[in-house]
Amino acid sequence: EAQVTQNPRYLITVTGKKLTVTCSQNMNHEYMSWYRQDPGLGLRQIYYSMNVEVTDKGDVPEGYKVSRKEKRNFPLILESPSPNQTSLYFCASSGVYGEAFFGQGTRLTVV
Amino acid sequence: DQQVKQNSPSLSVQEGRISILNCDYTNSMFDYFLWYKKYPAEGPTFLISISSIKDKNEDGRFTVFLNKSAKHLSLHIVPSQPGDSAVYFCAASNSGGSNYKLTFGKGTLLTVNP
Repeated sequence: EAQVTQNPRYLITVTGKKLTVTCSQNMNHEYMSWYRQDPGLGLRQIYYSMNVEVTDKGDVPEGYKVSRKEKRNFPLILESPSPNQTSLYFCASSGVYGEAFFGQGTRLTVV
Repeated sequence: DQQVKQNSPSLSVQEGRISILNCDYTNSMFDYFLWYKKYPAEGPTFLISISSIKDKNEDGRFTVFLNKSAKHLSLHIVPSQPGDSAVYFCAASNSGGSNYKLTFGKGTLLTVNP
């Protein structure tokens, strides 16, 4: 079954404690991206990756890092989380026609 | 600057009637448009798309219409069912660009009443 898997689904952490949200896809897609969803703001792209070792900033990259060492994995790293990064995060991978397949989401709370 | 706009935060319709969700865009470079449906506690799921070379695309109960001159697209759901109740996101991309970045609208919450 084609899928995008994110972990964890829920995470509560404290300000400044580094965390990583993992994302893995099994569709052999080259393009992957991270979005955050906030009330009244819709989905905003954080970072994207065109292929292994190729990443670039999206619309709201501040406070985030990513890496793409393997085609299937695209982790999102928060080196020093802050309360304004409390959000719902989605990883997505896209096929040739740009139709993105989304993971189940990670609800992050930073206190 | 919001490049994809969904001006109706919510819409309520009766079961069996037509639901029409609207979306406007400002970037004339966009040439591929998609609709996603999102249930609570789940990721968005792809619903239907349309290329700018078409003005209509149909898939079962779902039809998307594109008016390029007005930079407007709409999603029609006929007949609407209670299970269609969800948030619907309009998205756009420039398929000729160097990436497949999707720009999303803020979403419209559709409620279909039995």
